[in-house]
Amino acid sequence: GQNIDQPTEMTATEGAIVQINCTYQTSGFNGLFWYQQHAGEAPTFLSYNVLDGLEEKGRFSSFLSRSKGYSYLLLKELQMKDSASYLCAVRAYYKLSFGAGTTVTVRA
Amino acid sequence: EAGVAQSPRYKIIEKRQSVAFWCNPISGHATLYWYQQILGQGPKLLIQFQNNGVVDDSQLPKDRFSAERLKGVDSTLKIQPAKLEDSAVYLCASSDGSTSSYNEQFFGPGTRLTVL
Repeated sequence: GQNIDQPTEMTATEGAIVQINCTYQTSGFNGLFWYQQHAGEAPTFLSYNVLDGLEEKGRFSSFLSRSKGYSYLLLKELQMKDSASYLCAVRAYYKLSFGAGTTVTVRA
Repeated sequence: EAGVAQSPRYKIIEKRQSVAFWCNPISGHATLYWYQQILGQGPKLLIQFQNNGVVDDSQLPKDRFSAERLKGVDSTLKIQPAKLEDSAVYLCASSDGSTSSYNEQFFGPGTRLTVL
């Protein structure tokens, strides 16, 4: 199975930048996903990395280093609506395994 | 395009009772997944279907959980009998099942089960 670690909670101020780290150990790696999940709602897709490097999509960016088993999600220009849980998910042998999620709280 | 539909949204039962959840995936999606998400944890895959065949059910507690996907479209997940530790949100997801690198999963709103 996969061992996926991410911080439990993070707090930041509106307009700031927050970086959520994710480390993993797996065999058969074929992709890393980030999902956003608001309280009481289903996860929604944010980003996907399969090769090393940075993927940028608007205010959200995700980075992957396969050799280090490391990824981060960068949230820029934080807005109140970004308060949510952010799930790191690793796909190995075409099966997706999720971390426990990082709860981000954005303060005014 | 309609999303993944699930029902019911909420269910409260007593331990040792039975319960069933229903999922209708996005039209044309060959792959369907059932996840269990316990409060404070990430979703855990219970079972994965490709059309109407089971691809992975290694984490499904088969002594009490069962799932089927008749005709390769809708799916039901059943728990019989339920235990207190089954209290969780049950998420259904679907993907187009392509072997391309992307194969994004789309999630339904989930069914929140409380076992008393």
